Amino acid sequence: EAQVTQNPRYLITVTGKKLTVTCSQNMNHEYMSWYRQDPGLGLRQIYYSMNVEVTDKGDVPEGYKVSRKEKRNFPLILESPSPNQTSLYFCATTPGAVGTGELFFGEGSRLTVL
Amino acid sequence: GENVEQHPSTLSVQEGDSAVIKCTYSDSASNYFPWYKQELGKRPQLIIDIRSNVGEKKDQRIAVTLNKTAKHFSLHITETQPEDSAVYFCAASETGGFKTIFGAGTRLFVKA
Repeated sequence: EAQVTQNPRYLITVTGKKLTVTCSQNMNHEYMSWYRQDPGLGLRQIYYSMNVEVTDKGDVPEGYKVSRKEKRNFPLILESPSPNQTSLYFCATTPGAVGTGELFFGEGSRLTVL
Repeated sequence: GENVEQHPSTLSVQEGDSAVIKCTYSDSASNYFPWYKQELGKRPQLIIDIRSNVGEKKDQRIAVTLNKTAKHFSLHITETQPEDSAVYFCAASETGGFKTIFGAGTRLFVKA
């Protein structure tokens, strides 16, 4: 079954405690991306990756890091989380570059930073 | 920068009525316009999309129209049902590009 898997699904943490949200896909897709969803703001792109070892900033990259060492994995790293990073996070993939077709989303990770 | 504006933010209709959600985009290079539906607590999922070489596309009760000159595109849902209640996102991107810009979303309530 084609899947985009995120972990953890829910997390409550404290300011400054480093955390990683993992994203793994089994569809052999080249493109992966992270979005955050906030009420009234829709989905905003944090980072994206066109292929292994190729990443670039989206519209709201501040406070986040990513890596793409393997095709299937694209972790999102919050080195020093702050309360304004409390949000619902989605990983998404697509076979080629965006604009070629559907984005496949993971189930989401709800993060609360106290 | 690129922007997609979506209206209304909330829409309430009676079951059986039609619902229309409108979006405007700013980047003239955009040529792919998907619509995603997000049910409560779930992930966004594609329901229909349209490319710039087409003015209208229909799939059962759902249709999308595109006016590339005016940079407008709209989602039309006919004969609405309670299960259509969800948040709907429009988006715009460029074939071969690397960014998808989403609208802020429309929360649709269908009252039985």
